[in-house]
Amino acid sequence: EVQLVESGGGLVKPGGSLRLSCAASGFTFSSYSMNWVRQAPGKGLEWVSSISSSSSYIYYADSVKGRFTISRDNAKNSLYLQMNSLRAEDTAVYYCARDEGVVVTLDYWGQGTLVTVSS
Amino acid sequence: QPVLTQPPSSSASPGESARLTCTLPSDINVGSYNIYWYQQKPGSPPRYLLYYYSDSDKGQGSGVPSRFSGSKDASANTGILLISGLQSEDEADYYCMIWPSNASKVFGGGTKLTVL
Repeated sequence: EVQLVESGGGLVKPGGSLRLSCAASGFTFSSYSMNWVRQAPGKGLEWVSSISSSSSYIYYADSVKGRFTISRDNAKNSLYLQMNSLRAEDTAVYYCARDEGVVVTLDYWGQGTLVTVSS
Repeated sequence: QPVLTQPPSSSASPGESARLTCTLPSDINVGSYNIYWYQQKPGSPPRYLLYYYSDSDKGQGSGVPSRFSGSKDASANTGILLISGLQSEDEADYYCMIWPSNASKVFGGGTKLTVL
């Protein structure tokens, strides 16, 4: 069974940093591209970042470019999101999600972790 | 960044069909993209439902009932999610998405479906 479990969320002050983790199990993590998608309270979904299976290709939404860094450790079956210079508008539930392949995307999602940026 | 337009809300009665739309901007041809659909119930993460490119190129998510199907209306530049035989458990938010390039994934604003 595919499982994705996020952790690392919490309350942080504007300008602060936070590192999110996503532990994967039930599939060969090193074979799949992965994503972070966020959802502000009461709002819709926003794609944040993607990373290819070998970390060769990394992409970011314009809203986080230069502030967030996605990475992965295939030996530990883990995905990460380092978030710096956090702003109030970064407040959201952050989900990690898998890309099944070159056609199907975001086929499995974690339960999410809440990040609140507030003074 | 393209903007996908979804009606904020829709409603239908149990047993009826619900047709949810996702309109692409005029400079992006719906015929050129897979349209992805996700379902989200309160307090839960989104669930992948299906993608639709054409009748010969489409895919259903794991465990997703065949009551959920996709289509396109090229004349309206719109992707469509059709839910037939509505059940109370289908009440949820539904999001469409396109994957215009490796560098981005774009969601619609979502439609809240109420089963009356």
